[in-house]
Amino acid sequence: QKEVEQNSGPLSVPEGAIASLNCTYSDRVSQSFFWYRQYSGKSPELIMSIYSNGDKEDGRFTAQLNKASQYVSLLIRDSQPSDSATYLCAAVNAGGTSYGKLTFGQGTILTVHP
Amino acid sequence: KAGVTQTPRYLIKTRGQQVTLSCSPISGHRSVSWYQQTPGQGLQFLFEYFSETQRNKGNFPGRFSGRQFSNSRSEMNVSTLELGDSALYLCASSLEASGGPAATQYFGPGTRLTVL
Repeated sequence: QKEVEQNSGPLSVPEGAIASLNCTYSDRVSQSFFWYRQYSGKSPELIMSIYSNGDKEDGRFTAQLNKASQYVSLLIRDSQPSDSATYLCAAVNAGGTSYGKLTFGQGTILTVHP
Repeated sequence: KAGVTQTPRYLIKTRGQQVTLSCSPISGHRSVSWYQQTPGQGLQFLFEYFSETQRNKGNFPGRFSGRQFSNSRSEMNVSTLELGDSALYLCASSLEASGGPAATQYFGPGTRLTVL
C-alpha cells in the first residue's frame, strides 16, 4: 500500500462546478498535510495546508482533514479553466527520521472545461 | 520576499558525467529538501539539510549527494550519470522541518536534467 494515495483521475468538471479531490494516507503519525497544484512543465505550487481535524477555507478552496479516517480532501468551488492542473496531496511526519520529507500521492489531473 | 531559486534551469549531460545543481532558499528558511520528479515515479524525496547538516535521506544510491552552506544555500551532485537520472529536480525550503506551519515547503522552479 502506498503511503499517500489519491483518487484516480483524470477528473473532468464543467466550469463553475465543484471539483472534489481526495487523498488517504497510511501512516498514523502523519501530522501535516498539503495540497499542491502543478501545471504542466512547472513546479508544485502550494494551495492549502491543514494540520488539525476539520475544514479550512481559503477563497474558492476548502481542505478537509479527518485523522480518524486518515483522509484529506480538497474542494474547489466555482472551478475555472485556469484550475486545470495536476493536484498533489502530500503528508509530513513530525521530526525524527522524517525531517523535511514530504510524501506525495501520485497526483490527480483535473480538467475544467468551458 | 523572493522565492526559491534554482540554477541552472535546464541541463543536458551524457552518461558517465557528473552534475551539480544549486538551490537558494527563501530568505530566513533554514531547511532545504530535494526531490526528483519523473513521470513513472512521481515526486521522490532525495534528502534534507538544516544548518549545514543532512538530517534525512531518501532511498537513492550514493551517486546522489548534497551539501548546505552557512547561508542555507544548497547544492546537490549526481555523479556517473545514468539515463534514468533524467528528471526534474526540485528543491523546496521551509523555516524548519519539525512539523506544523513552519514545515510548509515552498518549491523552486526546478532543474530539468536530460541525460543522453
